[in-house]
Amino acid sequence: QVQLVQSGAEVKRPGASVKVSCKTSGYTFIGYYLNWVRQAPGQGLEWMGRLNPHSGDTNYAQKFQGRVTLTRDTSINTVYMELRGLKSDDTAVYYCAREAGDPFDFWGQGTLVAVSS
Amino acid sequence: QSALTQPASVSGSPGQSITISCTENSSDFGSHNRVSWYQQHPGKAPKLIIFDVIKRRSGISNRFSGSKSGNTASLTISGLQAEDEADYYCCSYGDSDTWVFGGGTKLTVL
Repeated sequence: QVQLVQSGAEVKRPGASVKVSCKTSGYTFIGYYLNWVRQAPGQGLEWMGRLNPHSGDTNYAQKFQGRVTLTRDTSINTVYMELRGLKSDDTAVYYCAREAGDPFDFWGQGTLVAVSS
Repeated sequence: QSALTQPASVSGSPGQSITISCTENSSDFGSHNRVSWYQQHPGKAPKLIIFDVIKRRSGISNRFSGSKSGNTASLTISGLQAEDEADYYCCSYGDSDTWVFGGGTKLTVL
């Protein structure tokens, strides 16, 4: 069965960076885009970007251009999201989500990133 | 850049039908069918319920249906049940290989 398992919660200081992992299983890793979506406390979903695991090509939301980087390790079927220059309003739950013909058909469990001084 | 507007909240009684709208601010909305809807219960990850405007994901109740007219997509839930109480988000394919979510709608079952 398809599973996306994310790394654990993180607490970071303002200005720091965070790297969240999303380990996939149960399907052909290179066959589906992986997306990252975040949700601030009490707020809606916000699309951040996506990665093509086959080519490594990425697309990012304009808001995050230059501050986020998506990478992958095909040997362990894992995608990473690194966000730099953290601010308090980056406090959110970060989700990875598989993009198939029907977008975002499987989601990770979410990773809380808290930014606080 | 496209933006999707949803009502902040809707409500209905058990057994009734409700419709949640999702309006795009550009004329491109009508030119493609890449609109999807997600249900999110508190503390849980979102769950895909409708894709390509009208297609119901396997395993989703036929009480959920999608449609689109012009620059507005809609999600209709018929025969409301208590377990339908959740947040609902639309999503559309945007410019330059990006995705965009609506602001979300809180459904209350009275």
